[in-house]
Amino acid sequence: NAGVTQTPKFQVLKTGQSMTLQCAQDMNHNSMYWYRQDPGMGLRLIYYSASEGTTDKGEVPNGYNVSRLNKREFSLRLESAAPSQTSVYFCASSDWASWETQYFGPGTRLLVL
Amino acid sequence: TQLLEQSPQFLSIQEGENLTVYCNSSSVFSSLQWYRQEPGEGPVLLVTVVTGGEVKKLKRLTFQFGDARKDSSLHITAAQPGDTGLYLCAGAKGNKLVFGAGTILRVKS
Repeated sequence: NAGVTQTPKFQVLKTGQSMTLQCAQDMNHNSMYWYRQDPGMGLRLIYYSASEGTTDKGEVPNGYNVSRLNKREFSLRLESAAPSQTSVYFCASSDWASWETQYFGPGTRLLVL
Repeated sequence: TQLLEQSPQFLSIQEGENLTVYCNSSSVFSSLQWYRQEPGEGPVLLVTVVTGGEVKKLKRLTFQFGDARKDSSLHITAAQPGDTGLYLCAGAKGNKLVFGAGTILRVKS
């Protein structure tokens, strides 16, 4: 049981490049989330998917797109990376009934030059 | 402005000391979670408190939810170096979690 896995662990991009962050969970959870963590700001919700086939914006969605590929996988795409998107990105998942109990992946550290 | 304010931002103490971390807001939350995060890893859930005034204990950690469900505290008794990490509180509001900025705890042996 791997829980929530994320790839890649670390990535360096140049301004304007694109990339997709991958996330998968093996807990049969309905809901999945993407957060970013910046120093002094805690975690901020980018997008979430309450169930397969649905996605909704969170607090800071600008510059990002998401795809809920199936029940297990939820990807985050940066179409044209900017230095302001340098951050640590965490994927999380939860069961529908207890959505507040979220399980986090190990994170992807992204540096945009 | 953070919806959830955590204090202190940073705490460095000696092994064996007691400490309290606070999480305050002007908003009401349906529940509140405490997470612990170690460097290079994702947050790990410690506890969820749901009822106003609720107190939960997890070994040397005591969590309390305010009567009005706007604030919470985490008290650690006899801190150990293994308690070192970032402690995050998160409030459930609507269908989203709102996180505080965190308290970095360092316990020196």
